[in-house]
Amino acid sequence: DAGITQSPRHKVTETGTPVTLRCHQTENHRYMYWYRQDPGHGLRLIHYSYGVKDTDKGEVSDGYSVSRSKTEDFLLTLESATSSQTSVYFCAISDYSGYEQYFGPGTRLTVT
Amino acid sequence: AQRVTQPEKLLSVFKGAPVELKCNYSYSGSPELFWYVQYSRQRLQLLLRHISRESIKGFTADLNKGETSFHLKKPFAQEEDSAMYYCALIQGAQKLVFGQGTRLTINP
Repeated sequence: DAGITQSPRHKVTETGTPVTLRCHQTENHRYMYWYRQDPGHGLRLIHYSYGVKDTDKGEVSDGYSVSRSKTEDFLLTLESATSSQTSVYFCAISDYSGYEQYFGPGTRLTVT
Repeated sequence: AQRVTQPEKLLSVFKGAPVELKCNYSYSGSPELFWYVQYSRQRLQLLLRHISRESIKGFTADLNKGETSFHLKKPFAQEEDSAMYYCALIQGAQKLVFGQGTRLTINP
């Protein structure tokens, strides 16, 4: 597996609380992505980063923010979690040369 | 808007039978298409990409621009092929657009 870790791996939180998910890579890849995986929807892009402090919105960015202060870390924040954000969240990375994305192990988030 | 459609949520075939997972796309321009696979308790990983024209684990996929399809095929299914399969296309800045996924089950 490419050097990608996600933390936490599982989290249960209450509606209205802030949540931060962390993605850490040791591959020095430029691009980093956050996806959510939901039955019937596949994977949908939330936000992505094309460099330190360079981020942009994806398909389902409402209710989420991201930050990338170092090449190796990409944080996803739910400012005020809602039940509709219950999902499995995947981080992915890719480098300049190819189009292959390498995925992390995922974080299962439950908002009650 | 770019879109990827996988019409089958579930597909079940017997070991040794041919497998075809369907993928259709809508894209203006020349698409770059991929198949990703997620085996049980493993990470999502690239299976193959159309520009490589390669066969991985016996799977092949041909881009048909006329039918806007990129179906994944294998002539003889094996039990270890059971997994979740996602078709995806690249959309600028190396962003992937995924289909809904097909869960393939190979019965012994």
